Amino acid sequence: SQTIHQWPATLVQPVGSPLSLECTVEGTSNPNLYWYRQAAGRGLQLLFYSVGIGQISSEVPQNLSASRPQDRQFILSSKKLLLSDSGFYLCAWSVTSGASYNEQFFGPGTRLTVL
Amino acid sequence: DAKTTQPPSMDCAEGRAANLPCNHSTISGNEYVYWYRQIHSQGPQYIIHGLKNNETNEMASLIITEDRKSSTLILPHATLRDTAVYYCIVRVGRAGGTSYGKLTFGQGTILTVHP
Repeated sequence: SQTIHQWPATLVQPVGSPLSLECTVEGTSNPNLYWYRQAAGRGLQLLFYSVGIGQISSEVPQNLSASRPQDRQFILSSKKLLLSDSGFYLCAWSVTSGASYNEQFFGPGTRLTVL
Repeated sequence: DAKTTQPPSMDCAEGRAANLPCNHSTISGNEYVYWYRQIHSQGPQYIIHGLKNNETNEMASLIITEDRKSSTLILPHATLRDTAVYYCIVRVGRAGGTSYGKLTFGQGTILTVHP
């Protein structure tokens, strides 16, 4: 069966510090991968998605970047965190087969607090 | 993707059916209706999806009106564990020949199941 992991679960970082969040998927090959952010009391916002190794698309301009160094590894980074980067970060995956729909499976999330 | 409108909150008694409405009056012919839910501090969970026919699975039933401009998610016997934010999302099943599938989450409906 497929599983998705995210770490760390919680993180407290000072403003201006770097960030690296990692997401890995097991039990599937060549998944689509997604990074979402949920600010306090808000809905989920898609940040990045990837359809393959090294292929990253950004949905919104921001202080963050994403990379996909391996098929089932997705990394969210920042060189200098801002207070507005605080939130709940969720990684998700979906299949890339010819299915008529793409159900997305979400990880447990990372709660980031920037102070 | 078509925009959806949901009530911000609803209450339901434990053991009773919870009926969550969603309006999607601008839906187009190739767009599916998806429902996800998010329990507090967890990642969203897929519930059900449909195109034009009513659908049922082990979690819920989805009733789509004949003109497809609205739908209702039905939890037949709500439990306290069903307390969550429920998201109604409309999007194409397969985006333009690629397998990327973007989910646009709105504010959803906060369903509170009480004893």
